[in-house]
Amino acid sequence: EVQLVESGGGLDQPGGSLRLSCAASGFTFSTYWMSWVRQAPGKGLEWVANIKQDGSEKDYVDSVKGRFTISRDNAKNSLYLQMNSLRVEDTAVYYCARDHSMDVWGKGTTVTVSS
Amino acid sequence: SYELTQPPSVSVSPGQTARITCSGDALPNQYAYWYQQKPGQAPVLVIYKDSERPSGIPERFSGSSSGTTVTLTISGVQAEDEADYYCQSADSSGTYRVFGGGTKLTVL
Repeated sequence: EVQLVESGGGLDQPGGSLRLSCAASGFTFSTYWMSWVRQAPGKGLEWVANIKQDGSEKDYVDSVKGRFTISRDNAKNSLYLQMNSLRVEDTAVYYCARDHSMDVWGKGTTVTVSS
Repeated sequence: SYELTQPPSVSVSPGQTARITCSGDALPNQYAYWYQQKPGQAPVLVIYKDSERPSGIPERFSGSSSGTTVTLTISGVQAEDEADYYCQSADSSGTYRVFGGGTKLTVL
């Protein structure tokens, strides 16, 4: 079964850091671009970042540039999102998705940034 | 920054046809994708590359493109189709992904 499972969410203070992980199974992870997408409470979907199959290309939405870093480990079939200098507005459910069509999504992990 | 524009809400009666539009300047040159999201669930891809339907998605879901507007059409709407629908595409460079603001489909 094709599956993505996110982990690593939690509660942190403004200025803090969190590292999200996404474990992939059921498909050849190394052949796909991958994305992180987030959804703030009661709001719409927002694309956050994506990464090429070999990690050589990475793109970010402007609001997270310089604070978030996307990475992957193809040997471990895993995708990561290192989130630094967290802000209250980063509070959201974070999904990983198989790019470019985003045809496979995880169930999401919740990040709450609050003092 | 690039934006995709959707109507906030669409309402239809069961059995009728629902049309949800998405407008963006780069849509003539970039594929559009449509997702269905029900409360508390992850999004589900219902249309890819403007008009292709993934396996397992009912035939009543279809997509079309005309100029700077793409349209998701749901024919013979059923109660189970009540959900939020999002379009997704890329900017003119193809680098940055963007989602529309979402449309809440209400089945009356």
